Amino acid sequence: KQEVTQIPAALSVPEGENLVLNCSFTDSAIYNLQWFRQDPGKGLTSLLLIQSSQREQTSGRLNASLDKSSGRSTLYIAASQPGDSATYLCAFQYNQGGKLIFGQGTELSVKP
Amino acid sequence: SAVISQKPSRDICQRGTSLTIQCQVDSQVTMMFWYRQQPGQSLTLIATANQGSEATYESGFVIDKFPISRPNLTFSTLTVSNMSPEDSSIYLCSVAAVYGYTFGSGTRLTVV
Repeated sequence: KQEVTQIPAALSVPEGENLVLNCSFTDSAIYNLQWFRQDPGKGLTSLLLIQSSQREQTSGRLNASLDKSSGRSTLYIAASQPGDSATYLCAFQYNQGGKLIFGQGTELSVKP
Repeated sequence: SAVISQKPSRDICQRGTSLTIQCQVDSQVTMMFWYRQQPGQSLTLIATANQGSEATYESGFVIDKFPISRPNLTFSTLTVSNMSPEDSSIYLCSVAAVYGYTFGSGTRLTVV
């Protein structure tokens, strides 16, 4: 069964801190991995996409990595800001055009 | 990346009634996906909608409850029928884009 687990479920950090969000998956035969951000009651904003052949992707203060052998992906956020407060979701796709399988999300709060 | 316009953004409905949610994409796409996010939960795929054919529903979701239309390659609707308070959720549409999946802004439905 293809399952995705995100740890921690919630995280509160002071502004300026670097942080890591974790995502683990049971089936390593992924097609790609995508990280999303969701503000309360809103839709999803795509942050980063990693293809199965890639190890990491970077966008600004965000860096996502993928290690298929260990079944893990991490999202690194540098110099966190209050505006980063949101729920972060990882999602896996197992074939081209196929559905996304989501983790439960990590609710991040960055305190000024 | 594709841009999706989803409406309504939110609604409060009486139990027993139906609500139709619309998604308009600014480019032609083969498949559109409909997700449900129950309070405090992650996203669950309801169905996949291809233009010109019947939607494919995931386990636990049926056409009578969630009829879907896909009249052309840029538009789709999801109807939540005979609503009960358990249908209170955020509903989101999604399409596969070049750089991963793009989501609409979501419809926050409250059934009273």
